[in-house]
Amino acid sequence: EVQLLESGGILVQPGGSLRLSCAASGFTFSNYLMTWVRQPPGKGLEWVSSISGSGGATSYADSVKGRFSMSRHNSQNTVFLQMNSLRAEDTAVYYCAKNPGDYEAYYFDYWGPGTLVTVSS
Amino acid sequence: QSALTQPASVSGSPGQSITISCTGTSSDIGGYNYVSWYQHHPGKAPRLIIYDVTNRPSGISDRFSGSKSGATASLAISGLQAGDEADYFCSSYSFYNSLYVFGTGTKVTVL
Repeated sequence: EVQLLESGGILVQPGGSLRLSCAASGFTFSNYLMTWVRQPPGKGLEWVSSISGSGGATSYADSVKGRFSMSRHNSQNTVFLQMNSLRAEDTAVYYCAKNPGDYEAYYFDYWGPGTLVTVSS
Repeated sequence: QSALTQPASVSGSPGQSITISCTGTSSDIGGYNYVSWYQHHPGKAPRLIIYDVTNRPSGISDRFSGSKSGATASLAISGLQAGDEADYFCSSYSFYNSLYVFGTGTKVTVL
């Protein structure tokens, strides 16, 4: 059974940093592209970042480019999202999602339950 | 990027059929067959129910079906059940700066 579990969401001050983790199980982790998607309170979902199975290729939404960095440790079946220079508008539930292959298929076949990041003074 | 437009809420009685629309533009839904639908019970992980406009993943009931006409995609749920009460959102590939664009979400209520 595929499982994804995010962790690391907390209350952080504007300008601060935070690292989210997503622990995966139930599939051959290194064979799949992984993605972070977020949902601000009361708003719709927004794609944040994706990373290839090897970790050699990443892509980012313009809203986070230069501030967020996605990485993965395939030996630990974990992906990370390093979030720097946090802003109030980064407040959201952050979801980890699995792509159906090591390519952009433009859908996600499994998601985690999400972790809440609150940026506020 | 602009979100795809969905009705805020749709309701139906058990056994009835409902349809949720998802309207975009020629740069997303209208231009590509990469529409997906997800069911989301709050506090839980979203679940994929339709991908590539019409395809159902293994294990998803055939009561769920997807279609597309022009820049509008639709999710139909037949034989409505209490367990179908959830939030539903659509997604599509988007030509512009973000790979993905998501719908505004629809709350389905089973009366």
